[in-house]
Amino acid sequence: QTVVTQEPSFSVSPGGTVTLTCGLTSGSVSSTYSPSWYQQIPGQAPRALIYNTNVRSSGVPDRFSGSIVGNKAALTITGAQADDESDYYCSLYMGSGVSVFGGGTQLTVL
Amino acid sequence: DVQLLESGGGLVQPGGSLTLSCAASGFTFSANVMSWVRQAPGKGLDWVSTIGTTPINTYYTDSVKGRFTISRDNSKGTLYLRLDSLRAEDTALYYCAKVSRLIGTYFYFDSWGQGALVTVSS
Repeated sequence: QTVVTQEPSFSVSPGGTVTLTCGLTSGSVSSTYSPSWYQQIPGQAPRALIYNTNVRSSGVPDRFSGSIVGNKAALTITGAQADDESDYYCSLYMGSGVSVFGGGTQLTVL
Repeated sequence: DVQLLESGGGLVQPGGSLTLSCAASGFTFSANVMSWVRQAPGKGLDWVSTIGTTPINTYYTDSVKGRFTISRDNSKGTLYLRLDSLRAEDTALYYCAKVSRLIGTYFYFDSWGQGALVTVSS
């Protein structure tokens, strides 16, 4: 069974930079998995931030960027703002119509 | 603007059934792959099912195979999820999501509805 891993929680200071990661319990994440990232403010529906590893979805500020770092997908927020405090989820496309989400990272900005 | 409006959620007993609907507008529904993603209370996102542009191609996470059925009516612009043999662990907010894909390049959920709550309890 494929398990996608994310840090359960992270904190960043306002104006700081933070990198959240998305890995696999067995194997490496590559662009082949078409990593995507979603932001979810509590009580709201998720919103797509990044797709195809590093492409920002429409309307997403350029302080959000995606990449592959080592054997994981990564979401970097540069110049964090108070309203970036949210839950962040990655998703990997495994092929044959199957997607898997990571457990999510709760980001605190303080 | 893309709009996805789920309906049909509610309280159902274990072993019972329910059908969720998702009315889509603002895009060419028949040309888009669609999915259901759920979120149990206080938990993370969990992909449930995806359907291709035609009803022939359907995909399910292992825990719902044989119990849930995804379908679509392109003439009505509506996505469905039939939930049978429901269990307590199926209790969740069920989101309808529009898929954006380029075969061999990317696949992601570009738009989401607000969700329909399914509660399985006696």
